[in-house]
Amino acid sequence: DADVTQTPRNRITKTGKRIMLECSQTKGHDRMYWYRQDPGLGLRLIYYSFDVKDINKGEISDGYSVSRQAQAKFSLSLESAIPNQTALYFCATSGKGRETQYFGPGTRLLVL
Amino acid sequence: QQPVQSPQAVILREGEDAVINCSSSKALYSVHWYRQKHGEAPVFLMILLKGGEQKGHEKISASFNEKKQQSSLYLTASQLSYSGTYFCGTEGGGSNYKLTFGKGTLLTVNP
Repeated sequence: DADVTQTPRNRITKTGKRIMLECSQTKGHDRMYWYRQDPGLGLRLIYYSFDVKDINKGEISDGYSVSRQAQAKFSLSLESAIPNQTALYFCATSGKGRETQYFGPGTRLLVL
Repeated sequence: QQPVQSPQAVILREGEDAVINCSSSKALYSVHWYRQKHGEAPVFLMILLKGGEQKGHEKISASFNEKKQQSSLYLTASQLSYSGTYFCGTEGGGSNYKLTFGKGTLLTVNP
């Protein structure tokens, strides 16, 4: 089984709809991250969490919110989706210190 | 601020060498290199920490010059499996550990 899972893997929604992307991990890591990837722009950080009670904004948090329900679960919400939020979304986890980040398989989101 | 990667794209024949550079305008504590195949998640290659160390993994190695705020990834005798997009992620130190990724370098290895 994969260590970092994301659901759904693909999602099509309409402008104005609320949508939630979920991330779960079995690596026992405290730190979790949400990124979005657009062609030619690399990976940009949306939100990150160092433990259940710690939530931090990344460089592009506008229009997004997150919830850290447990050490193993970190959800990303789009309260009112817009076409500009069409992208590939990745969740990642890491342990304490300067350890590598492990990425989930990604969620491909299309907002019509 | 996003690190700058160069070149943006490179095409090689199997067996040729390539160098991918990553440069930052900020002081760096560590540089992380990832490779991403089309439609897949980025996969970790290596971390380089402040101290100018060089790391290697078979035919892929990297260097980090913290004074110049630069890192380079070296791919020697490239294989078809090396094709993909390479990203550097940089981190400036402190307790608020998070990575800022470059826009990526697309590497294509042809037979």
